[in-house]
Amino acid sequence: QKEVEQDPGPLSVPEGAIVSLNCTYSNSAFQYFMWYRQYSRKGPELLMYTYSSGNKEDGRFTAQVDKSSKYISLFIRDSQPSDSATYLCAGYGNKLVFGAGTILRVKS
Amino acid sequence: DTEVTQTPKHLVMGMTNKKSLKCEQHMGHRAMYWYKQKAKKPPELMFVYSYEKLSINESVPSRFSPECPNSSLLNLHLHALQPEDSALYLCASSQASSGANVLTFGAGSRLTVL
Repeated sequence: QKEVEQDPGPLSVPEGAIVSLNCTYSNSAFQYFMWYRQYSRKGPELLMYTYSSGNKEDGRFTAQVDKSSKYISLFIRDSQPSDSATYLCAGYGNKLVFGAGTILRVKS
Repeated sequence: DTEVTQTPKHLVMGMTNKKSLKCEQHMGHRAMYWYKQKAKKPPELMFVYSYEKLSINESVPSRFSPECPNSSLLNLHLHALQPEDSALYLCASSQASSGANVLTFGAGSRLTVL
């Protein structure tokens, strides 16, 4: 079983839609959870990180962690074509472990 | 300066060549990382340096040799690589290698082994 499971997509939505991206994880040692965004042929850039369970909001992005169900979510409101990228969830215990990444396409 | 700079952006090498990838950060971070990313796959950890000492080697073949000359620089020396080593090599840095460990990634060096 992979430590972080993530549906690779692709996920295709119209501009302005609310996007929900999800991951599950198996490593109970994870304390920090991150979402990275990676554009084609670029390095990953950090979008959000949360400690333990709870919600965190930053502009159009909301990250949620539910440690009881080992579930990680990222919501994007009012999605834009510029949001088209691969979104990687990750958990951190003693090292950063990534999910497979979900390809998101926002159509104008 | 909130960047991690990697050079070269692209590298093509033969299986008998020796080359190096370079990474630099000026954010005062004390942990630096090498990741390998194959197409349509997530980044996979190769090495971690903490306070200029190698702290994690994820069983990487010896044809990859990391070096941390100082707290701002990280090199990855390449020798006798195989075509399956072709990938995007990502450098990252963070303030420390534990705790709230937010990694900042560079744009990567795309390596092709012929």
